[in-house]
This record gives sequence, C-alpha cells and structure tokens, in this order.
Amino acid sequence: SQTIHQWPATLVQPVGSPLSLECTVEGTSNPNLYWYRQAAGRGLQLLFYSVGIGQISSEVPQNLSASRPQDRQFILSSKKLLLSDSGFYLCAWSRSRGTGELFFGEGSRLTVL
Amino acid sequence: AQRVTQPEKLLSVFKGAPVELKCNYSYSGSPELFWYVQYSRQRLQLLLRHISRESIKGFTADLNKGETSFHLKKPFAQEEDSAMYYCALILGNTDKLIFGTGTRLQVFP
Repeated sequence: SQTIHQWPATLVQPVGSPLSLECTVEGTSNPNLYWYRQAAGRGLQLLFYSVGIGQISSEVPQNLSASRPQDRQFILSSKKLLLSDSGFYLCAWSRSRGTGELFFGEGSRLTVL
Repeated sequence: AQRVTQPEKLLSVFKGAPVELKCNYSYSGSPELFWYVQYSRQRLQLLLRHISRESIKGFTADLNKGETSFHLKKPFAQEEDSAMYYCALILGNTDKLIFGTGTRLQVFP
C-alpha cells in the first residue's frame, strides 16, 4: 500500500534562517506531488506542484522554493525565512492522470520567530 | 479566474438536524468538484467527488451548473460528522486542485 511521510512535524526557526521540509512517498511510482499551506481563514493554498523529477510548477510568488530530486521525494525550502512563512504545510500525492484524489501527509507546523 | 468559495467558516447544528455546507465555484471550463474532510487528529482525506454521484457516510453533493454550486448535504447529522470540510475544484487537464477556505461543522449532542 502507498504511504506518505512528511517531516519534521514541528519546527521553530528564527527569521532569516533556512528551511527544509521533506516529503517522501512509498508504494507508488511517478506520483504527482504537491505542497500546500493551510492557514486559518485562508484554506489550503497550493504552493508547488510537480509531475516528475525536476519538474516544478510554482503557483504563487513567495519566499519558498521546491525541489524534486527523486521520483518520490519532494522538498520545500527557503534560504531566509520570513515571519509570514509561519504556517501549516501539507505535502500530498496523487496518481498521475488521476481522479482528483489527493493523499495528504500529516503536515508540518512551522513557526518563524 | 478559478475560485472556490465557502461562505461559512463555522456551522453548528444539533444531532439529527439536517446539514448543508455551501460551496460555490468560478471556473470557465467544465468543472470537476470534490469534498474533502479532516476529522480531529486525522489527515485530510477525500469524502466524495461529484462525478461519482455517490453517497458517503450519508453525505451527498449535487453539482448545479446554473448556480455554480456544489453544496454538501446530509439529512440527519451525527456527532461524528464534526470536522473541517473543504470543497475543491480540479483545474482543466491537470491534476491540480484548488480548495476553498473550509467550513468547520460542529454537531452538538
């Protein structure tokens, strides 16, 4: 069966520090991968979308970047965090040419101080 | 521009009462819509999709293209229905989903 792992679960970082959130999927190949940010009152905002290794679509201008170095690995990064980067980040995967069903990770709560 | 709107942040009902969670969309193409649910301490997961025309846990949702709506309904709410509900729209020939802001449903005993 397929599983998705996301870590760390919680992270507290000072402003200006770097960020790396990692997500891996097991039990499937060539998945679509997603990074969302979940914020109260703003719902789920799609940040990045990837259909394959090295193929990243950035959905909103921001201080973050994403990379997909391996088929089932998706990394969310920043070189210098801003206060506004605080939030709850969700990684998800779906089958390529799928049915719109996304499978979500447990999320990572980032607090920037 | 494509958009999903859920006008209610919070909906509170008593057990046994009917429930309707509102969702409206804006999309120039042929829409495919979904409802996702997040129970306390659980992952966000798919509840139902309009194309399947199915009833899941007693919930149904009908796509109304004239009103550009996809409201989620259940005739008799249960306490275990308390959760965060998100309406979502898939974009064109992609697998990208955009979500609404969510509605928290509270069902009181």
